[in-house]
Amino acid sequence: DAKTTQPTSMDCAEGRAANLPCNHSTISGNEYVYWYRQIHSQGPQYIIHGLKNNETNEMASLIITEDRKSSTLILPHATLRDTAVYYCIVRSNFGNEKLTFGTGTRLTIIP
Amino acid sequence: NAGVTQTPKFRILKIGQSMTLQCTQDMNHNYMYWYRQDPGMGLKLIYYSVGAGITDKGEVPNGYNVSRSTTEDFPLRLELAAPSQTSVYFCASSTTQGGGTEAFFGQGTRLTVV
Repeated sequence: DAKTTQPTSMDCAEGRAANLPCNHSTISGNEYVYWYRQIHSQGPQYIIHGLKNNETNEMASLIITEDRKSSTLILPHATLRDTAVYYCIVRSNFGNEKLTFGTGTRLTIIP
Repeated sequence: NAGVTQTPKFRILKIGQSMTLQCTQDMNHNYMYWYRQDPGMGLKLIYYSVGAGITDKGEVPNGYNVSRSTTEDFPLRLELAAPSQTSVYFCASSTTQGGGTEAFFGQGTRLTVV
């Protein structure tokens, strides 16, 4: 049973902001929203995570709606190296919690 | 601090052979995971472990075995290799200290069964 829903693919022009949406309408109170990306054939790479508040780091920003049922990952100035599959995951840090991946969004940065 | 190290990087097996994919981490993480990724597909969880001596099945455990005798190591065993096990295998680790923590992944083992 998928906990998140993401678009299959998206394009973004180089230099523009890439906004990747994720729906997680069944998220529970102790579950975090995580974003990872996988650049062709490499191991996935952690990007950012959040619980309730918006978060920003050197890679991206994460905007979580007030009801926590959806979120958006923002890459502020996309470069060609940001072309990857982006995975949105919800997960708690309590108990025997698996870390499972859905199908993600394939983001292509267009020159 | 090497992170998560997987060996070997590449391997070709004949049908029916067995092998162990090695995974070690030096971050003292309690959680460790094994995934497989078939061409063009997402990652599927094979087994995971929440600490030494504790393992549990993921989404696709059939044909694999794991053990976790130490915090650092989490080997994945294939007993009777089949062509359907041709895939890229990723190991990962994470910790539960504090609120919400990232998982670190190895660079993968590309396995071909012929």
